[in-house]
Amino acid sequence: GIQVEQSPPDLILQEGANSTLRCNFSDSVNNLQWFHQNPWGQLINLFYIPSGTKQNGRLSATTVATERYSLLYISSSQTTDSGVYFCAVASGGSNYKLTFGKGTLLTVNP
Amino acid sequence: SQTIHQWPATLVQPVGSPLSLECTVEGTSNPNLYWYRQAAGRGLQLLFYSVGIGQISSEVPQNLSASRPQDRQFILSSKKLLLSDSGFYLCAWSASYTGELFFGEGSRLTVL
Repeated sequence: GIQVEQSPPDLILQEGANSTLRCNFSDSVNNLQWFHQNPWGQLINLFYIPSGTKQNGRLSATTVATERYSLLYISSSQTTDSGVYFCAVASGGSNYKLTFGKGTLLTVNP
Repeated sequence: SQTIHQWPATLVQPVGSPLSLECTVEGTSNPNLYWYRQAAGRGLQLLFYSVGIGQISSEVPQNLSASRPQDRQFILSSKKLLLSDSGFYLCAWSASYTGELFFGEGSRLTVL
């Protein structure tokens, strides 16, 4: 099956800093999503982005499908951005069986 | 708008006892439905998915089963829980035409 690698595994920032999270995948994809898992465990959709670029406030994402990677940018980070960020992809005939990366644990200190 | 709810939020069960987690989706019809588990650490593992009533696919052989008695209802069950069943269980839905996944709040299960 498709392999998903996220980097870095852990990231510590001071409030106000910017960061880039990376997701590499081993095959062409027809679905790619970024999620944020908050400290209470809830998984929040950030972006549905199998290709192209999207922005939502301080967050933006870019997927370069031909080169098999996606980037999540967080600007002017806040303590509420802390948590685990997951990339998940689907490939082949089904767009609904997502494979998750192991996540990036982001800690934003005040 | 679409919403998804699952319950109970937390439960502590003895080894050998049964389990039933329930999930319902509102505001959409014929969704794809999923059960994921997140054990200690971060990884999410797909347990079951369903593309229609009565259609259940199992991804991992285990002590659990799933059922979809109604279009927007998905149930995760076990007849006898094991210690290894402890974890955080997440129900999710997606529209069949996009596959974009949306998660419920999660159910934290501790088996003692």
